[in-house]
Amino acid sequence: EPEVTQTPSHQVTQMGQEVILRCVPISNHLYFYWYRQILGQKVEFLVSFYNNEISEKSEIFDDQFSVERPDGSNFTLKIRSTKLEDSAMYFCASRTPSGSYEQYFGPGTRLTVT
Amino acid sequence: KQEVTQIPAALSVPEGENLVLNCSFTDSAIYNLQWFRQDPGKGLTSLLLIQSSQREQTSGRLNASLDKSSGRSTLYIAASQPGDSATYLCAVKSTVGGKLIFGQGTELSVKP
Repeated sequence: EPEVTQTPSHQVTQMGQEVILRCVPISNHLYFYWYRQILGQKVEFLVSFYNNEISEKSEIFDDQFSVERPDGSNFTLKIRSTKLEDSAMYFCASRTPSGSYEQYFGPGTRLTVT
Repeated sequence: KQEVTQIPAALSVPEGENLVLNCSFTDSAIYNLQWFRQDPGKGLTSLLLIQSSQREQTSGRLNASLDKSSGRSTLYIAASQPGDSATYLCAVKSTVGGKLIFGQGTELSVKP
């Protein structure tokens, strides 16, 4: 069964460094999403992406964040200058193009900023 | 602004018991509602999705109901097993392409 994959599973970085989190959505999906979950808190929406542009973003998704679909398969989230409070689990999701419009989630990347 | 609340925050039951998890949302204008399972430190596994026009969905021992007008959904787990121990999240979507808004989850522990 097709699934969303994410790499790396765990990333440790120093404050102020740039990180790129990578996702491979399910191949025939057209909508892509990033969510994050700070330890012990709710899963929060960051951004949605469709037709090579951002369709919606939350107030969390400030100028330090960017998303890109560099080729036909990858979908990336870049954090330009990481802060301690960016430490969280980051989930990528993609949505079926028709029918139920169900979102399928990847296993997540745990980002630790030291 | 849509808000999703799940009660209880934690639940511990003996194996074999039937149980109900609750989810409420403040804006009844939803497109669909999904129930997820999350194991500690892991990703989100979709369990059931209910469209706004549906009243319930079933998968194996799981049954999810939706009462859009009252802003409530329940997840019923029959004959619980220790392997059901996990956090259960509900999430609502207000538009076709839109974001999911999550509740804080119910942490379920099923004791052998």
